[in-house]
Amino acid sequence: DAKTTQPPSMDCAEGRAANLPCNHSTISGNEYVYWYRQIHSQGPQYIIHGLKNNETNEMASLIITEDRKSSTLILPHATLRDTAVYYCIVRVRADYKLSFGAGTTVTVRA
Amino acid sequence: GAVVSQHPSWVICKSGTSVKIECRSLDFQATTMFWYRQFPKQSLMLMATSNEGSKATYEQGVEKDKFLINHASLTLSTLTVTSAHPEDSSFYICSARDRGGAVNEQYFGPGTRLTVT
Repeated sequence: DAKTTQPPSMDCAEGRAANLPCNHSTISGNEYVYWYRQIHSQGPQYIIHGLKNNETNEMASLIITEDRKSSTLILPHATLRDTAVYYCIVRVRADYKLSFGAGTTVTVRA
Repeated sequence: GAVVSQHPSWVICKSGTSVKIECRSLDFQATTMFWYRQFPKQSLMLMATSNEGSKATYEQGVEKDKFLINHASLTLSTLTVTSAHPEDSSFYICSARDRGGAVNEQYFGPGTRLTVT
């Protein structure tokens, strides 16, 4: 699987949009971009995934650049409950083994 | 949505004893489950892949005789830490692949915190 690079931490204000970047410059054509988050002392939670088109669901939006070398996870209206470690993972969809990096620790402040 | 449970949520045991952790998919069938370990302030590390009705596949560096995995049914996988030592103290998390789900993704359990004294 391709490696990803994420900033170690970021703060955002409650109610504002949180934009989480991820670099994956060595991504292969058949690899998807997945985002998970882990709230303290809990198991990870799936957020969203995409291949090349932008995706949106009830939790977040995923913007993937045209060259697919980077992506941004957008939490449209961050709440205190969104405070967590966010992991960006790239993988071939048929391979369910996940390789977690260090992720980005997001702290939402009131 | 798909729910995965783990039992117990936390356990304290004495060094040298064995501990069994259960992972259940509550509302879906999971032919494949995964076991992860997470040390404090570190990321999750995949330990093994558990396939229903067959032997588990262990990641490099994980002792299969120490971490026994049994996946006897489509909704249950167990991880037994044998002869536990303090260095085995960690947060153990399972995930289950929902093959029949719309997103066809895997869902994580809440984790089990093991403390070996």
